[in-house]
Amino acid sequence: GAGVSQSPSNKVTEKGKDVELRCDPISGHTALYWYRQSLGQGLEFLIYFQGNSAPDKSGLPSDRFSAERTGGSVSTLTIQRTQQEDSAVYLCASSLYPSPLHFGNGTRLTVT
Amino acid sequence: QKEVEQDPGPLSVPEGAIVSLNCTYSNSAFQYFMWYRQYSRKGPELLMYTYSSGNKEDGRFTAQVDKSSKYISLFIRDSQPSDSATYLCAMTDAGNMLTFGGGTRLMVKP
Repeated sequence: GAGVSQSPSNKVTEKGKDVELRCDPISGHTALYWYRQSLGQGLEFLIYFQGNSAPDKSGLPSDRFSAERTGGSVSTLTIQRTQQEDSAVYLCASSLYPSPLHFGNGTRLTVT
Repeated sequence: QKEVEQDPGPLSVPEGAIVSLNCTYSNSAFQYFMWYRQYSRKGPELLMYTYSSGNKEDGRFTAQVDKSSKYISLFIRDSQPSDSATYLCAMTDAGNMLTFGGGTRLMVKP
């Protein structure tokens, strides 16, 4: 497809379980971003990749959060030992600098 | 104080009205400015992208940047119920990181 693809679109998990969220960026886009959006809130920056490297991990909320990107394409955001406060929409975006970001439709995570 | 301030609304207008959405910012290094539209349960969609000061028009949408006042606006003419969404401003210097406003929720009533 032409846009940013995220999977799954919805995820319900029990507290304490690990989850993996996937992002397929637009082909050729070198930069990839993860954001978190809680209900009625703005965008919270999590991490940014240029190629496979993550020069800015400053937004990751805790060491339970990690992300990787392979082959300069697909990225996975992993949340270990999920907590209820992790419930949010996780958005992925990609860009080809200096063009603006293009977002996927997000993964809606609910931790019960 | 946040780096980018945006009134959260909600802003409710009748169909056909002219809508004005605004953001103020504090970082004078910002020079690329964007407006995103986000429908419920969807990701933000790029609406307008401008560089430096001035106006840019695209159909019913006009983006305006006043760098001297650190103020940007998005105008929507002849607003439609389908324009009901949250509008996010975003900006950056020449780098890769965007700074977002918190979003304004717009409701256009038929």
